[in-house]
Amino acid sequence: KAGVTQTPRYLIKTRGQQVTLSCSPISGHRSVSWYQQTPGQGLQFLFEYFSETQRNKGNFPGRFSGRQFSNSRSEMNVSTLELGDSALYLCASSFGPGTGGLTDTQYFGPGTRLTVL
Amino acid sequence: AQSVTQPDIHITVSEGASLELRCNYSYGATPYLFWYVQSPGQGLQLLLKYFSGDTLVQGIKGFEAEFKRSQSSFNLRKPSVHWSDAAEYFCAVGTGGGNKLTFGTGTQLKVEL
Repeated sequence: KAGVTQTPRYLIKTRGQQVTLSCSPISGHRSVSWYQQTPGQGLQFLFEYFSETQRNKGNFPGRFSGRQFSNSRSEMNVSTLELGDSALYLCASSFGPGTGGLTDTQYFGPGTRLTVL
Repeated sequence: AQSVTQPDIHITVSEGASLELRCNYSYGATPYLFWYVQSPGQGLQLLLKYFSGDTLVQGIKGFEAEFKRSQSSFNLRKPSVHWSDAAEYFCAVGTGGGNKLTFGTGTQLKVEL
């Protein structure tokens, strides 16, 4: 079974631009989460989607947004890019939404390396 | 709020030696615990997880971890390290009711030949 795929793998943008990153989950998985990884802040949760609905959101400004499509693929968008947005953006997929007091196992993609100049 | 502490930023071991990476969590109820490994420029690969039941869990690549509720710990162990184990290791906690994970700061493992 194919793993989580993320496109593009590398991206260079300039300050003020916007960017869209894409994530395709493992076949049959319906939950997608996004994380930002930086040397200074480590791995931080951005948001989680299940059945096209955002279920959880981390502590990031409104410039960071996401969505999920009916085929479970997800995109995240960052508007008005800042230098500090340079990071590895990781997508993770899981089978279920982690309801009923559960946390489902998450499988990560290779990430998109975003560089903001 | 939940938190995860990995006290060791860097660890160096000789190939063939045993390994233990420490992880302490802070959460009031029973946590969902994970260990992931990340090679340079790569995503995170799941090594093992603890949800409930037997407190000693086995994972891939010969790794195991033991959940100790009394110590709020979930340490990762391997009896004999291989040079290919050099990577960064992350401990993470999920608190149920969603798939959000809180990660520790990671431990960078170096293996000396």
